[in-house]
Amino acid sequence: LAKTTQPISMDSYEGQEVNITCSHNNIATNDYITWYQQFPSQGPRFIIQGYKTKVTNEVASLFIPADRKSSTLSLPRVSLSDTAVYYCPYVSSNTGKLIFGQGTTLQVKP
Amino acid sequence: DAGITQSPRYKITETGRQVTLMCHQTWSHSYMFWYRQDLGHGLRLIYYSAAADITDKGEVPDGYVVSRSKTENFPLTLESATRSQTSVYFCASSESQRAPYNEQFFGPGTRLTVL
Repeated sequence: LAKTTQPISMDSYEGQEVNITCSHNNIATNDYITWYQQFPSQGPRFIIQGYKTKVTNEVASLFIPADRKSSTLSLPRVSLSDTAVYYCPYVSSNTGKLIFGQGTTLQVKP
Repeated sequence: DAGITQSPRYKITETGRQVTLMCHQTWSHSYMFWYRQDLGHGLRLIYYSAAADITDKGEVPDGYVVSRSKTENFPLTLESATRSQTSVYFCASSESQRAPYNEQFFGPGTRLTVL
């Protein structure tokens, strides 16, 4: 079963840039790379998606190398409200299914 | 209200009882999904549906039944609840299975406790 791998937890301080990496060893040619964010007691929320190179939106940037075997989610100047779990689920391009791992718990400290 | 809603938000039941969790979306999205989230396991896909009357199993379907007679509704039924089904259940929907329209929108969740 295709899946992704990411660190279990990370700590940061307010104002720092945070980079969370994800391994996509089994990614297929047509698969996109997607990241979700989840706050306590809420459902996950889509952050960003890309196929290759770099994608940026108002929340984050996503860096994808040429071989697409990994990705890096970059959060600029984090604040306490960015404390959450970040997921890079495997996304099936055929069915749309998301296969989540345990995610990366980001703790932002003052 | 526009969006995706789940009901009930909290439910306590007893072992062996049948329980149905409701999910409703107002976007007419084709795809709908049910996940459960347990400590230490992240989110796991139970069932999904590509359209009305089309459903398929996910990672952990045992003990659950789904139906989708209307595009906007996707109920999840626990036919005979067990303690191991105590969890938080999330429903989600998406317009398509193909990027960039495959963003999934999640409901607020239902916290189910089976005693």
